[in-house]
Amino acid sequence: DIQMTQSPHSLSASLGETVSIECLASEGISNYLAWYQQKPGKSPQLLIYYASSLQDGVPSRFSGSGSGTQYSLKISNMQPEDEGVYYCQQGYKYPFTFGSGTKLEIK
Amino acid sequence: QVQLQQSGAELAKPGSSVKISCKASGYTFTSYAMHWIKQTTGQALEWTGYIAPGSGGTKYNEKFKGKATLTVDKSSSTAYMQLSSLTPVDTAVYYCARGTRYPGTPFDYWGQGVMVTVSS
Repeated sequence: DIQMTQSPHSLSASLGETVSIECLASEGISNYLAWYQQKPGKSPQLLIYYASSLQDGVPSRFSGSGSGTQYSLKISNMQPEDEGVYYCQQGYKYPFTFGSGTKLEIK
Repeated sequence: QVQLQQSGAELAKPGSSVKISCKASGYTFTSYAMHWIKQTTGQALEWTGYIAPGSGGTKYNEKFKGKATLTVDKSSSTAYMQLSSLTPVDTAVYYCARGTRYPGTPFDYWGQGVMVTVSS
């Protein structure tokens, strides 16, 4: 199985700050990488797919980049509603696998 | 609008089975695969498998073969996951999520999740 190593495990950011979350795959995944946001008691919501494509309705302050085995999610101009847990997921090879999550809080 | 409506929470005894449902609306049910994802209380997400409603074809995570069985009822646009021989390790929230059977396509809509608790 492809292992997805996500970092950091948690972070806190001030309003308006820019933050980045990293995801490292154990082998190349050809940009088949998605990012999800999950809020307490809710299901995950798709933010980014194919590494850098923004899902409809997702604010443009979210962006994704990367290639090969290394990918990142950037959140610019941090807003209160951005608090939550963020997960990466590879869709390159079955079984699809997720990162362990990054908890993002407002400082 | 696309909606995936899942059944209610389940409390089951060890060794028993449960069958949870996911009713789809707002799109052509047979045009997308339905994936199932397990989330434990530690928040880890595990892909369980998918079913292609049009063909009934399935693909399972090896870890869940023999544990999960995926079926659909096309007449009601409902997907089902049966979990058998339950143990406390199966205690988790189970989500259905829309995708395709092709690698790369993400899970663009998720159900609200079903909490399955296994306890004697």
